[in-house]
Amino acid sequence: AQSVTQLGSHVSVSEGALVLLRCNYSSSVPPYLFWYVQYPNQGLQLLLKYTSAATLVKGINGFEAEFKKSETSFHLTKPSAHMSDAAEYFCAVTLGSSGSARQLTFGSGTQLTVLP
Amino acid sequence: EADIYQTPRYLVIGTGKKITLECSQTMGHDKMYWYQQDPGMELHLIHYSYGVNSTEKGDLSSESTVSRIRTEHFPLTLESARPSHTSQYLCASSDPRGGGSTGELFFGEGSRLTVL
Repeated sequence: AQSVTQLGSHVSVSEGALVLLRCNYSSSVPPYLFWYVQYPNQGLQLLLKYTSAATLVKGINGFEAEFKKSETSFHLTKPSAHMSDAAEYFCAVTLGSSGSARQLTFGSGTQLTVLP
Repeated sequence: EADIYQTPRYLVIGTGKKITLECSQTMGHDKMYWYQQDPGMELHLIHYSYGVNSTEKGDLSSESTVSRIRTEHFPLTLESARPSHTSQYLCASSDPRGGGSTGELFFGEGSRLTVL
């Protein structure tokens, strides 16, 4: 079994400031972890993924996330926020190599607002 | 680039009407999914298909039904819509051959259903 907790349903940052979106997971086996982004009135799009290779994962649009097993975390960061980053971000987990997309569990999402 | 399409994007109907939400993908993916998404909540899997003529219920109980007669097509039907069915419905597909990325989904833009 697995679960995901996203701390903070709403996060606001100023343009140019650091973006930090928090995700903690629980999994009975080594997990695969994902961040998806959903822009207004659109479906979800994969931002980045951790599949047991490098613990620091780089994604699209300058985002990256670090898998920390000791903290059971997979926080998403971006050094400098841009207005176009305003969206909802979902963390998701599945049961590693023995899992499948069928077993993907999503967090409740974090709405990111970027202030001018 | 993902090619998965949902229609209609928005639908407002009265109670008791039958509705079908269409989902088509041109990627030849075997696995397809329907998720239900409510504001501020995680995505919940309501239907899953392994391939043609193979469907199963997801983790969240739903009164909707699905069919998979063709690989590219995965429609969702509500025989008698009720206000409790008001939600956003997201269709997705996945390709298990994609380098072990077992949680990577390709999403459509969603169908937002409002039942009056």
